[in-house]
Amino acid sequence: DTGVSQNPRHKITKRGQNVTFRCDPISEHNRLYWYRQTLGQGPEFLTYFQNEAQLEKSRLLSDRFSAERPKGSFSTLEIQRTEQGDSAMYLCASSFNRGLAGNNEQFFGPGTRLTVL
Amino acid sequence: AQKITQTQPGMFVQEKEAVTLDCTYDTSDPSYGLFWYKQPSSGEMIFLIYQGSYDQQNATEGRYSLNFQKARKSANLVISASQLGDSAMYFCAMREGVSGGSYIPTFGRGTSLIVHP
Repeated sequence: DTGVSQNPRHKITKRGQNVTFRCDPISEHNRLYWYRQTLGQGPEFLTYFQNEAQLEKSRLLSDRFSAERPKGSFSTLEIQRTEQGDSAMYLCASSFNRGLAGNNEQFFGPGTRLTVL
Repeated sequence: AQKITQTQPGMFVQEKEAVTLDCTYDTSDPSYGLFWYKQPSSGEMIFLIYQGSYDQQNATEGRYSLNFQKARKSANLVISASQLGDSAMYFCAMREGVSGGSYIPTFGRGTSLIVHP
């Protein structure tokens, strides 16, 4: 399977703990995106990378959140000192940059569901 | 103001019938793209169809078509010949500033579609 993969699929943690999620994009895709989705809502953008460069971050991404894509391939999203409000599905997507033309369609992974107790 | 509005929280349709899922959007940018994604209970977002603001014809992909009415700022998804496997959440999304190289879509809150036999 050459789609976007995310690990773990589920994570339960206690408030105050740190958690790290991993995303492996489609291999030829140079853009990688992180989203958060809570119940009854659509995905909300968190941040994205082009290759290893983090180009944009949402205001949703507080300083407890950090994302990396060290070699322009897989990415990690870390949440420090988790809070109950961090409970959500964290989605990763990747795309191939076709420049200004084209839809630059994003392919999503299955997500990591985080529960903070 | 909401950039993407999906007014139907839930829709029911009988198998083999057609169904229209509504989406209206708000933008002052002349260059934008509109997307529809399907999210089954497994959680993965599946890309269905894309419409660019300058596209002259309505987009079609198999049983999916996008009824694009630019003046009304609507981008409704039409699913023909519904199948039981179409039961899922459906999200409309918009990417603004295409000419400026923006790649971040804004998602609506989704419509839950249930197809019954």
